[in-house]
Amino acid sequence: DVKVTQSSRYLVKRTGEKVFLECVQDMDHENMFWYRQDPGLGLRLIYFSYDVKMKEKGDIPEGYSVSREKKERFSLILESASTNQTSMYLCASRGGTSGRHEQFFGPGTRLTVL
Amino acid sequence: AQSVSQHNHHVILSEAASLELGCNYSYGGTVNLFWYVQYPGQHLQLLLKYFSGDPLVKGIKGFEAEFIKSKFSFNLRKPSVQWSDTAEYFCAVSPLNTDKLIFGTGTRLQVFP
Repeated sequence: DVKVTQSSRYLVKRTGEKVFLECVQDMDHENMFWYRQDPGLGLRLIYFSYDVKMKEKGDIPEGYSVSREKKERFSLILESASTNQTSMYLCASRGGTSGRHEQFFGPGTRLTVL
Repeated sequence: AQSVSQHNHHVILSEAASLELGCNYSYGGTVNLFWYVQYPGQHLQLLLKYFSGDPLVKGIKGFEAEFIKSKFSFNLRKPSVQWSDTAEYFCAVSPLNTDKLIFGTGTRLQVFP
C-alpha cells in the first residue's frame, strides 16, 4: 500500500511566521504535489516536483515555496504566513511519467493562521 | 483556461435512491478523467478513472461513470446509494502529456437512512 504521510494534522501559526509542512511517501514515486483545499474551490495545485531538486509552479504558487532534497520528501514552505493561507493542505505522490497514473494523497494538514 | 465544473454542490438523498453527479470539463484535446472521493475524516482516494476504450467505466463500491466526448462530460452514477456513500466527490481531469490534475470544486453527498 502506498503511504503518504504529512507531519501534522493540525497546525496553528501566527501571521508572519515561517511555516514548514512536510510530506513523505514510501513508494519511490518520482512525482509529488502540494494542493490546498478550500470549501467551494476544490483542490488547487500550489507546486509540484517531478524529480529531486526539481520543482514547477502550479496554479497558485504565490506566497509559497517548496523543497525536494530527497526523493521521498517534499516540503511546502510559507515564508511569512498570512491569514489568507488558512486552509487544508494536501500532499500527493504519483508514480509513472504520465497523468494516467493515480495520485495518492496524504491525510492533510489543517493550517490556521491567526 | 482549462477548468472542471461540478454543478451539484450539495446533494441530499435517501438510501436506495439513484445518484448522478455531473462533471464537465473545458479542454479540446485528449484527457484522462478521474473521480476521487473523500469520506469524512479520511484521505482523498481514487474511485475510478478513464483513459480510453469503453466510455462506461466501473469503479469501487458500485460506482460507474460515463465519458461522453461530444458533451465534454464524465458523470458519476450509482443505482442505489447507501448511508456509507456520504462523502465529498471530486471530478478531475488531466490533459494528455501533462503532469497536472485539474480538480472540480467538489460535490458534497449526504445520504440519510
